[in-house]
Amino acid sequence: GQNIDQPTEMTATEGAIVQINCTYQTSGFNGLFWYQQHAGEAPTFLSYNVLDGLEEKGRFSSFLSRSKGYSYLLLKELQMKDSASYLCAVLDSNYQLIWGAGTKLIIKP
Amino acid sequence: GAVVSQHPSWVICKSGTSVKIECRSLDFQATTMFWYRQFPKQSLMLMATSNEGSKATYEQGVEKDKFLINHASLTLSTLTVTSAHPEDSSFYICSARSGREGETQYFGPGTRLLVL
Repeated sequence: GQNIDQPTEMTATEGAIVQINCTYQTSGFNGLFWYQQHAGEAPTFLSYNVLDGLEEKGRFSSFLSRSKGYSYLLLKELQMKDSASYLCAVLDSNYQLIWGAGTKLIIKP
Repeated sequence: GAVVSQHPSWVICKSGTSVKIECRSLDFQATTMFWYRQFPKQSLMLMATSNEGSKATYEQGVEKDKFLINHASLTLSTLTVTSAHPEDSSFYICSARSGREGETQYFGPGTRLLVL
């Protein structure tokens, strides 16, 4: 079966760095996405990785290792507005998006 | 990034009525649109995949006669919840795939449906 695993909840302090991990087992791989979803709102696109390595985009970076079926989202200089759920999703061989359950990130002052 | 709009953002209706939700890609042509449902504190659940000019592909367990999807053009898809019941109350979100940016899905703002 297809499976995406990410922690249910994480807590971090304002100004700090947090890493949200995602492991996946899917039938094929055509890329991995990270989305941010604030409570009561629709997801917004953060990043897309299809090759191994680190993609940096401002305070957010996303890493992929295809051989390990592993990705992480790194958030630096945390701000209160970063409190949200972070969704990991993998595009499988049929170009279907397989979603993780999301990681709720709580930022404390 | 690409922009997707959704209308209405809120719907409150009586049980037994039908509700239509529109999803539009504003600055790109979307050959494929997706409809999701999300219950409180749960993850997104894909309901159906909609391709322009053809019938939608529904996920297992989603009633196609209850959730009617029409993808009439490259910028518009509609979801009609027919004979809505309280258990259909949920957050409905559409997304569209922008071909010019590969397989990235961009989401509309969502429609919150409350059936009384």
